[in-house]
Amino acid sequence: AQKITQTQPGMFVQEKEAVTLDCTYDTSDPSYGLFWYKQPSSGEMIFLIYQGSYDQQNATEGRYSLNFQKARKSANLVISASQLGDSAMYFCAMREGRGTDKLIFGTGTRLQVFP
Amino acid sequence: KAGVTQTPRYLIKTRGQQVTLSCSPISGHRSVSWYQQTPGQGLQFLFEYFSETQRNKGNFPGRFSGRQFSNSRSEMNVSTLELGDSALYLCASSSSGQGYNYGYTFGSGTRLTVV
Repeated sequence: AQKITQTQPGMFVQEKEAVTLDCTYDTSDPSYGLFWYKQPSSGEMIFLIYQGSYDQQNATEGRYSLNFQKARKSANLVISASQLGDSAMYFCAMREGRGTDKLIFGTGTRLQVFP
Repeated sequence: KAGVTQTPRYLIKTRGQQVTLSCSPISGHRSVSWYQQTPGQGLQFLFEYFSETQRNKGNFPGRFSGRQFSNSRSEMNVSTLELGDSALYLCASSSSGQGYNYGYTFGSGTRLTVV
């Protein structure tokens, strides 16, 4: 069954340092999409980065990059040069197959950036 | 362009009542999905609509229903409210609705409290 696992309930990182948030997934469908979202305390889900199952290269968006290891079914988010404003909940999500916009979310990781 | 608009932002209802939440997608987006977020269950998929048709439904009781109008605006309704329905309800819109797109834009959510 499709599943997203985030094993880090909370992470701490010092400002300007890099941090990796872990995400593993399980699916039997060869076509899927992986997403990372940031949720600040206000509640809105902010899209960060996307990786398609057939993409050959790791996705990057500014300070965000996705370390995609297909054989290990992992899609870790790397945030470089952390900023205080990065403190939030981070969710990994998967869309399985085609013809649907249904997302399956992990339990999230709370990231706290300290000065 | 305007983002996804959810109304109301906050709502307090009494057990047994019913409630209707609204979601206006980004102009041109035809796909709308709904999610329930609680501390205990995390983010769970409710249903998705594309061109006024429900394409997928999550594992929720029949008290939860939704619809989509010709202008792509969507509503969800919860009847006979229970205390456990207290949650943040999020909707997301996307452009193609085909599952090929990779950007889902979320609204700020409606925080429902059942007393």
